[in-house]
Amino acid sequence: AQSVTQLDSHVSVSEGTPVLLRCNYSSSYSPSLFWYVQHPNKGLQLLLKYTSAATLVKGINGFEAEFKKSETSFHLTKPSAHMSDAAEYFCVVSDRGNAGNMLTFGGGTRLMVKP
Amino acid sequence: DAGVTQSPTHLIKTRGQQVTLRCSPKSGHDTVSWYQQALGQGPQFIFQYYEEEERQRGNFPDRFSGHQFPNYSSELNVNALLLGDSALYLCASSLYMGEKLFFGSGTQLSVL
Repeated sequence: AQSVTQLDSHVSVSEGTPVLLRCNYSSSYSPSLFWYVQHPNKGLQLLLKYTSAATLVKGINGFEAEFKKSETSFHLTKPSAHMSDAAEYFCVVSDRGNAGNMLTFGGGTRLMVKP
Repeated sequence: DAGVTQSPTHLIKTRGQQVTLRCSPKSGHDTVSWYQQALGQGPQFIFQYYEEEERQRGNFPDRFSGHQFPNYSSELNVNALLLGDSALYLCASSLYMGEKLFFGSGTQLSVL
């Protein structure tokens, strides 16, 4: 079985300062890992995806994440927060079963950006 | 190009009733997955449909059932509703059971 733990339920930063959202995963094999963002009253949007091609993954809107196998971590970062980044962020691991695949979501981190 | 569309956007039911939620996948996609997102939690996988068959199922009781039609659209049915079924139900589509999912905005179900 695989699982995802997001270490902070809420993160508050000031606009223009760096963002760090922490994620640890558990998987019995080489996982596919994702970060999704959810704005209020909107669907989930894929930020980035890791599939073993490179440990540092660049996503949309200036976000990036680094896969560290030794630490079983996949933290999401952004050098400078913008007000529009305020949203719920989910770290996700993919399980490809015998037929089909399912995503296992972490509990989410709510990012608040102060002016 | 329309993305994933879900209907209705909001629904209120009472305990014991049955409900049907609908989803149209993104154009060109053939796989539909359903997720339940309780308030303050991450989404949980319910099941996935491809070629009109349930391909994988999460830890949900048989009260939750689904269907996929030849045009790839899908329905989620929940029987004998419980208060705990109140949640945002998300539909996601992909191509050939791929990992890159596109999500709809969801149906907010309230069970009173």
